[in-house]
Amino acid sequence: QVQLQESGPGLVKPSQTLSLTCTVSGGSISSGGYYWSWIRQHPGKGLEWIGYIYYTGSTYYSPSLKSRVIISADTSKNQFSLELTSVTAADTAVYYCARDHGGHYFAYWGQGALVTVST
Amino acid sequence: DIQMTQSPSSVSASVGDRVTITCRASQGISNWLAWYQQKPGKAPKLLIYAASSLQSGVPSRFSGSGSGTDFTLTISSLQPEDFATYFCLQANSFPLTFGGGTKVEIK
Repeated sequence: QVQLQESGPGLVKPSQTLSLTCTVSGGSISSGGYYWSWIRQHPGKGLEWIGYIYYTGSTYYSPSLKSRVIISADTSKNQFSLELTSVTAADTAVYYCARDHGGHYFAYWGQGALVTVST
Repeated sequence: DIQMTQSPSSVSASVGDRVTITCRASQGISNWLAWYQQKPGKAPKLLIYAASSLQSGVPSRFSGSGSGTDFTLTISSLQPEDFATYFCLQANSFPLTFGGGTKVEIK
């Protein structure tokens, strides 16, 4: 059973970079043909897909965040990461990492990490 | 981007009721649609994928239908554990987009 767990600072100052890591167990991020995504949820709101890194290392980002997002992977640690630059209060959200089970349907999710952007 | 419009935004229902939630896509997405259930403080849980395929382990009272632009999630007999918020997701094209959510509340 694949399990994902987000980790990283819960508080980031405005204009700085938000950095989160997703540690994966029960499966390798570099095999299997899966997409590894980041998704966020603003407090009390809906879900927003941020982007993915494919098992080959290729990436795709939502156009609305593309200029500020980098998703990378460390296959030696079986982790993938999110960097979001120049954050503002509007980036305050719960950030989830997730994996599809084919067809970009997210079947496996981390428990979520609340990141607050504030001074 | 494909916009996903969910309705209603909330519904009050009793245990045993049949509940129907709809999702409309701003353009055709074939059957590239999933439904999720989310409880407070928890990650979403996949219920239905490819519009009508039941995810393993999900009770059969959940069903999905539709194709093109109009989709439906039906809970045939609402159970206490089903009170939650439900989201649809279009997986036809990038960026992937979610519906705004439907909160199913106790009547």
